[in-house]
Amino acid sequence: EIVMTQSPATLSVSPGERATLSCRASQSVSSNLAWYQQKPGQAPRLLIYGASTRATGIPARFSGSGSGTEFTLTISSLQSEDFAVYYCQQYNNWPPTFGGGTKVEIK
Amino acid sequence: EVQLVESGGGLVQPGGSLRLSCAASGFTFSSYEMNWVRQAPGKGLEWVSYISSSGSTIYYADSVKGRFTISRDNAKNSLYLQMNSLRAEDTAVYYCARTMEQWLVLFDYWGQGTLVTVSS
Repeated sequence: EIVMTQSPATLSVSPGERATLSCRASQSVSSNLAWYQQKPGQAPRLLIYGASTRATGIPARFSGSGSGTEFTLTISSLQSEDFAVYYCQQYNNWPPTFGGGTKVEIK
Repeated sequence: EVQLVESGGGLVQPGGSLRLSCAASGFTFSSYEMNWVRQAPGKGLEWVSYISSSGSTIYYADSVKGRFTISRDNAKNSLYLQMNSLRAEDTAVYYCARTMEQWLVLFDYWGQGTLVTVSS
């Protein structure tokens, strides 16, 4: 099974600042990488798939990059509604696996 | 509008059984692969099971293999998860999630989840 490792576990950012989240795969997943956002008490929401394609309705301030084993989610200017937990997920190999999450909190 | 609504969660004793349901609407259910994904309290996400659009192909996480059974009824636009021999570590919110594209097992729509608590 492919292990997904996210860093940092917690990221403290001020509103309006840029946030950069990392995700590493234990072996190559090509570009078969997705990012999700989860707010307390809510289901996850798909943000990015194919490592860099925004899902429907996702604002342009969210961008994804990377391929192989190293991936990044960037939020260019954090809005109040962006403070949440973010998960990466690989879907290149069975079983699909998630990273442990990065919590983006208000600094 | 795509909607997925889970039901059937609750408190069950270790070794007990529970059947979860997911009612789908707003899309052609029979055309999509479906999944169950769970989240233990305060923890991350764990994929549990997958079923193809026809129901002919099924996969399980090793942690639930032999104890859980996924199924679907396309005529009723419904997905199910029969959970037997439940353990404390199965305690989680269980989400029904749609696979975005055939064979690309990422999840574009999720239900609100149903909580399963395994405790004596």
